[in-house]
Amino acid sequence: GAVVSQHPSWVICKSGTSVKIECRSLDFQATTMFWYRQFPKQSLMLMATSNEGSKATYEQGVEKDKFLINHASLTLSTLTVTSAHPEDSSFYICSARGDWTGGYEQYFGPGTRLTVT
Amino acid sequence: SQQGEEDPQALSIQEGENATMNCSYKTSINNLQWYRQNSGRGLVHLILIRSNEREKHSGRLRVTLDTSKKSSSLLITASRAADTASYFCATDLSQGNLIFGKGTKLSVKP
Repeated sequence: GAVVSQHPSWVICKSGTSVKIECRSLDFQATTMFWYRQFPKQSLMLMATSNEGSKATYEQGVEKDKFLINHASLTLSTLTVTSAHPEDSSFYICSARGDWTGGYEQYFGPGTRLTVT
Repeated sequence: SQQGEEDPQALSIQEGENATMNCSYKTSINNLQWYRQNSGRGLVHLILIRSNEREKHSGRLRVTLDTSKKSSSLLITASRAADTASYFCATDLSQGNLIFGKGTKLSVKP
C-alpha cells in the first residue's frame, strides 16, 4: 500500500513553455502533498507544501507564480512550471502523507526529470 | 537551509561487510527518518525513529539516535550489491515537514 505515482516520468520542453507534472496517491487519501526538487548529486529541497482544498505554502526563495501548485482532490496534486527556463531543469519529486500515518511518514513518487532546452 | 549532514559523503565496501552512515543535525526534532534513493529514482522510506527512542531495528537495518549530540547513525549489516544507493536522513522538526541531508552514496561491490 501507500503508492504514489508521478506523470510524466520525464519531459523535455522548450524554453518559455509551461509543463505540468501530476502526483497521485493511488491507494490512499493524501491530506498533504509535498513537492521537492533535486539537482544532480544533491539533496532534496522542499519547494512547497499543499493541503487539499487550500493554497500551497511555498518555501523561501521559491516563486509561487512560477511554480503553480494545485491540490484539488485528496489523491491528486499538480505542479506547473510556467515559462520554463534551462535553469529549471531538475528532478522533481512529490510525496504524500495520509492521516493514518500520524503525520510522520511521507511516501514518495518516482520523480519527474524535467529538461528545458 | 539544510538541517542534516551525512557522513561520509561516499562509502565503498565489499558485499557482506557492514555499512555505517552518520547524520548530524542542528535543532531539536520530533523524529528522524532515513530514506534510500536508487539513481534517478524516488525515495524509499526505510525507518523512522522518534526523539524519545534511542535505537530501532528493521531487518538488516539498525538506527540509533543521540539527541544530546544531535546525531543519528544507520547501520546496514551484511550488505548486498542491491543495497547500492544514496541514503538520506531527514529531520522532522514539527508538523511532518522534512528537511533532508545531503546524503551518503553507498557502493557495495560484489
